[in-house]
Amino acid sequence: GQNIDQPTEMTATEGAIVQINCTYQTSGFNGLFWYQQHAGEAPTFLSYNVLDGLEEKGRFSSFLSRSKGYSYLLLKELQMKDSASYLCAVTYMNRDDKIIFGKGTRLHILP
Amino acid sequence: DSGVTQTPKHLITATGQRVTLRCSPRSGDLSVYWYQQSLDQGLQFLIQYYNGEERAKGNILERFSAQQFPDLHSELNLSSLELGDSALYFCASSTRQGSGNTIYFGEGSWLTVV
Repeated sequence: GQNIDQPTEMTATEGAIVQINCTYQTSGFNGLFWYQQHAGEAPTFLSYNVLDGLEEKGRFSSFLSRSKGYSYLLLKELQMKDSASYLCAVTYMNRDDKIIFGKGTRLHILP
Repeated sequence: DSGVTQTPKHLITATGQRVTLRCSPRSGDLSVYWYQQSLDQGLQFLIQYYNGEERAKGNILERFSAQQFPDLHSELNLSSLELGDSALYFCASSTRQGSGNTIYFGEGSWLTVV
């Protein structure tokens, strides 16, 4: 299958760092997205990884290991507004153009 | 604002009824995607169109159908509605077909079936 696994919920403290992991099936893998979604709102694009390694974008960074079928989203200097769900999404070369989303990780930020 | 427009934003209807959700993609985008998100559930891919043609199909029920018109707007038709169809329906668009294109989401249409 195309199971995309990520933790259901995580809790972190304001100002801290948190890492949200995502694993996926590697067969036919093309690329991986991370989206942020506040409750009841539209998902918004955070990052896209195709090659192995770390992509840094301000307080957010995303890492990919194609051989391990593994990615993580790293959030630094957490702010209360970072409380949201973080969605890992994968595209496969042999699956038309479908972008398959994981169920998301709900991140709670404590003051 | 992603540039993707969805109407209506909220809709309440009775079981057995039919509704149509409308989506206008970002200017210049040829691909339109439809997703369903139920309470505490992930985004379920329904269907994708590219330049008027169906490109990929996901877990879309037979009671549901969609199309993309020559002006590139898309409609998702939901018929014989059931309570379980209550969800947030998102439309998203991207520039072209092919894996790796970032998709941008509209604000969604909240459907409540009573």
